Amino acid sequence: DVKVTQSSRYLVKRTGEKVFLECVQDMDHENMFWYRQDPGLGLRLIYFSYDVKMKEKGDIPEGYSVSREKKERFSLILESASTNQTSMYLCASSFPGLTTEAFFGQGTRLTVV
Amino acid sequence: AQSVTQLGSHVSVSEGALVLLRCNYSSSVPPYLFWYVQYPNQGLQLLLKYTTGATLVKGINGFEAEFKKSETSFHLTKPSAHMSDAAEYFCAVSVNSGNTPLVFGKGTRLSVIA
Repeated sequence: DVKVTQSSRYLVKRTGEKVFLECVQDMDHENMFWYRQDPGLGLRLIYFSYDVKMKEKGDIPEGYSVSREKKERFSLILESASTNQTSMYLCASSFPGLTTEAFFGQGTRLTVV
Repeated sequence: AQSVTQLGSHVSVSEGALVLLRCNYSSSVPPYLFWYVQYPNQGLQLLLKYTTGATLVKGINGFEAEFKKSETSFHLTKPSAHMSDAAEYFCAVSVNSGNTPLVFGKGTRLSVIA
């Protein structure tokens, strides 16, 4: 069974902390994505990567960075967590191609206090 | 630029009633369209997708969607709602090239009343 695994389901961090969200996929997908989900706003793309060491900004990259050192792993970094980054974070991966679907992890619910 | 609009942020139906969730797309080229479902505290799961060919697409859990180019729509239906269908549903469109992400609608929360 295909799998995208996010390292934590729930996280509570303090304002100003550096936060790492990890995502691993076992499907040999080239593409990986980080989305943020907030009520009424749907899914908003933070960053994506279509190859190792490659990254592209999405719609809301401010306050975030990413790292992809290995094909199967894509990390989202909150450089200095703020309360407005409290949200659900979803990782996804896919093969290249217009008709290929993305596979999602279970999500990480991050609370910044 | 391609985009999708989901009409109605919340839809409520009785158990056994028809489910209709609306999605309209904006695209300058033939779109590829997807419906995803998200159960509480879960990630998104693919329900169905339209690529080419038959315009009526059948998915999992009894859902289907029809691609109507003349109406720029891809509405999701299920003849008879079940309590387990209560979830959030997202329509998405594939854009530009194979390496760019899906563009999602804002989602529609479906409630099923016993």
